[in-house]
Amino acid sequence: EAAVTQSPRNKVAVTGGKVTLSCNQTNNHNNMYWYRQDTGHGLRLIHYSYGAGSTEKGDIPDGYKASRPSQENFSLILELATPSQTSVYFCASGEKPFYAEQFFGPGTRLTVL
Amino acid sequence: GEQVEQLPSILRVQEGSSASINCTYENSASNYFPWYKQEPGENPKLIIDIRSNMERKQTQGLIVLLDKKAKRFSLHITDTQPGDSAMYFCAASETNYNVLYFGSGTKLTVEP
Repeated sequence: EAAVTQSPRNKVAVTGGKVTLSCNQTNNHNNMYWYRQDTGHGLRLIHYSYGAGSTEKGDIPDGYKASRPSQENFSLILELATPSQTSVYFCASGEKPFYAEQFFGPGTRLTVL
Repeated sequence: GEQVEQLPSILRVQEGSSASINCTYENSASNYFPWYKQEPGENPKLIIDIRSNMERKQTQGLIVLLDKKAKRFSLHITDTQPGDSAMYFCAASETNYNVLYFGSGTKLTVEP
């Protein structure tokens, strides 16, 4: 089974601070994704990547940057965190075909005070 | 892009009965429709999916129906058990992209 890990699992940040959420996958999947999950909104796509060096904007990219330095690692960066970014963030990985299963990490609970 | 609407947002059923969740989509190019289950405190996991060349798929007490003309698909859980209590998300994707667009989720509670 795919192994996707995230760090940290919980994070409290201050408004205006910089936050980096990290994701690592060990299954050599090409595609990686960052979602946020909020009650009533389901899973919303922030950024995604097709491979090392690539990042693409998802549905809600404003206020977020992404970095894919290697096949295994995909980071989500909040340069200036705001309370509206308080949420649970999930990273996922998947293979190339559009019908491929996405494997989710355990999630990171971020609170911005 | 794509917009996926999912209803109901909350669903309570009695153990042993069936539960149905409905989703609609807007983009006629969407052709892959997975369903994910998320248990409390856990991450979402794929439970069943259907491609546009099928109208029905069944596995282990789960049935998915797809009506391409109406741009509608649904999940039916037969003989529900307390272990089926969870959040369920539908999603849609199209061939040229590897991006899933998720519905807002259904919280299913199976009462003994």
